[in-house]
Amino acid sequence: DTAVSQTPKYLVTQMGNDKSIKCEQNLGHDTMYWYKQDSKKFLKIMFSYNNKELIINETVPNRFSPKSPDKAHLNLHINSLELGDSAVYFCASSQDTAGGPETQYFGPGTRLLVL
Amino acid sequence: AQSVTQPDIHITVSEGASLELRCNYSYGATPYLFWYVQSPGQGLQLLLKYFSGDTLVQGIKGFEAEFKRSQSSFNLRKPSVHWSDAAEYFCAVGSTQGFGNEKLTFGTGTRLTIIP
Repeated sequence: DTAVSQTPKYLVTQMGNDKSIKCEQNLGHDTMYWYKQDSKKFLKIMFSYNNKELIINETVPNRFSPKSPDKAHLNLHINSLELGDSAVYFCASSQDTAGGPETQYFGPGTRLLVL
Repeated sequence: AQSVTQPDIHITVSEGASLELRCNYSYGATPYLFWYVQSPGQGLQLLLKYFSGDTLVQGIKGFEAEFKRSQSSFNLRKPSVHWSDAAEYFCAVGSTQGFGNEKLTFGTGTRLTIIP
């Protein structure tokens, strides 16, 4: 069983299109995240949700909209795709420890290429 | 603000040789430290983590790391590398706020190449 899964694994699309990436975790965790890994492999957090509530919203263009229908799912919708959106997007989840340290578990990533 | 520095962009090691990957962090409070590995085309797998207690932590695949507060370091080691260890290694520091406000700040990664 895959703990954190993402679909699709690869996504090739034209500039200006709208696309969505889905993430599901079966670990029973309360918190889910989206990270972006750029072409130089640098990883940066984009969003986090705790029990379906948006907690972290980094300086991400508002073309990116996360949605959490339930605490096991966190989707990422991207409007009007731009060349610079090409990256690997990772979903992660962790168990809320009420202020203590948390371990984040990552999905396999979605490789987005905007042409 | 927290930050992580991995000074070595690329390291090449012979199979069977020992390995040490460097990681230095900057964080105002007690750091929570992690090492993740990313094999080519794969996701991030947790190798090990340090929260508190014994400063030498053991992880999966024979890896260990030592937390040295005085040096702000959390270096990753393995006594004998295998060809399957070739991958990108990321050190990360976590904040302690919980409730979904747990940002992981990553280093820029170290690419490990293994030569036969």
